Amino acid sequence: DTEVTQTPKHLVMGMTNKKSLKCEQHMGHRAMYWYKQKAKKPPELMFVYSYEKLSINESVPSRFSPECPNSSLLNLHLHALQPEDSALYLCASSQVSPFTQYFGPGTRLTVL
Amino acid sequence: DAKTTQPPSMDCAEGRAANLPCNHSTISGNEYVYWYRQIHSQGPQYIIHGLKNNETNEMASLIITEDRKSSTLILPHATLRDTAVYYCIVRVTQQAAGNKLTFGGGTRVLVKP
Repeated sequence: DTEVTQTPKHLVMGMTNKKSLKCEQHMGHRAMYWYKQKAKKPPELMFVYSYEKLSINESVPSRFSPECPNSSLLNLHLHALQPEDSALYLCASSQVSPFTQYFGPGTRLTVL
Repeated sequence: DAKTTQPPSMDCAEGRAANLPCNHSTISGNEYVYWYRQIHSQGPQYIIHGLKNNETNEMASLIITEDRKSSTLILPHATLRDTAVYYCIVRVTQQAAGNKLTFGGGTRVLVKP
């Protein structure tokens, strides 16, 4: 089973709202990732967690706050977003080695 | 990670082999070549990866030139469901700070009946 699940599939939020995206995997992977993808652009890495510790933050604004409560779960907390943050947010997981990443279907976020 | 260059788009006929090229002339000796694809509005899907030798799995074949400066992904019998953006990525398998995938522009493949 190489499934990564993400909820919700779609999210519409106002600029003053607080919301969270959830990602889950049960493949025993110890690395998890958040990517952001704007329309007609390739995915861009936001955060990497390795063994439940944040190992890479690609200079993401603080209005995005990741959390890895355990090895199967990854959350992305959203607060005070801007309309330009509207995008497809993708979660992925992998073994630390070998590296192959498996992606979820994404959450389509719209900020009004 | 080494930069990759791919044609922005290509068409291929259903049932025929699709050959997708990728140039990675600055690749280092310990960098692997990975291929992913992304069907419209879905998450990227892993296809195949290799270091030096040619590789084959149930989805595709990967041919890497002897000097490793370029590679070709081969979809042996393209179907309409293979219409997607195909990304070629080169990277080291292990990095102390964590594993990163840096996606380039990819090749938009349209399989036509």
